[in-house]
Amino acid sequence: GQQVMQIPQYQHVQEGEDFTTYCNSSTTLSNIQWYKQRPGGHPVFLIQLVKSGEVKKQKRLTFQFGEAKKNSSLHITATQTTDVGTYFCAGYTNAGKSTFGDGTTLTVKP
Amino acid sequence: NAGVTQTPKFRVLKTGQSMTLLCAQDMNHEYMYWYRQDPGMGLRLIHYSVGEGTTAKGEVPDGYNVSRLKKQNFLLGLESAAPSQTSVYFCASSKGRMTFFGQGTRLTVV
Repeated sequence: GQQVMQIPQYQHVQEGEDFTTYCNSSTTLSNIQWYKQRPGGHPVFLIQLVKSGEVKKQKRLTFQFGEAKKNSSLHITATQTTDVGTYFCAGYTNAGKSTFGDGTTLTVKP
Repeated sequence: NAGVTQTPKFRVLKTGQSMTLLCAQDMNHEYMYWYRQDPGMGLRLIHYSVGEGTTAKGEVPDGYNVSRLKKQNFLLGLESAAPSQTSVYFCASSKGRMTFFGQGTRLTVV
């Protein structure tokens, strides 16, 4: 079945450093979504990417969708302590079925 | 507008007992999902529904059943609970580009 691999599993950064998490799917995706989950909380939707090669920005966050629609990345510029949490990607098929990566947990040292 | 509401928020079951988790959304969304999340892991799709009266299996459907009799409700049933079903369960709904998650149900099977 469809698999979505996400790396790294953990990332510890100093406040102000950049952060990137990568997501790779075993199959071509219809779209990919990114979520943020704070400890003890629920996943919160960040963005959806649909088009091949798409790049979207939200303030310090930059999201990319690969040309083959099988990989994606989330990059945070100049991390802040408010960025801590686990970032998940989720790949969706045309049938509406989703597969989540295992997430990247970001900790930020002030 | 409450979004996605899950009940109950916490539950302890004995092995072999049955229970139903309720998910309700007031956003008129077509798609609804049930996930489970185990410590340090991503979300695994149990079952999903693309509309009223329809359901489909996800990655880990065994031991669970679902029903979507009304568009706004998606029920997850455990017929005979097992300790391996101890987890946090999240319901989600989506229409178009955004997906919304409920607050989660923490289930412990002893």
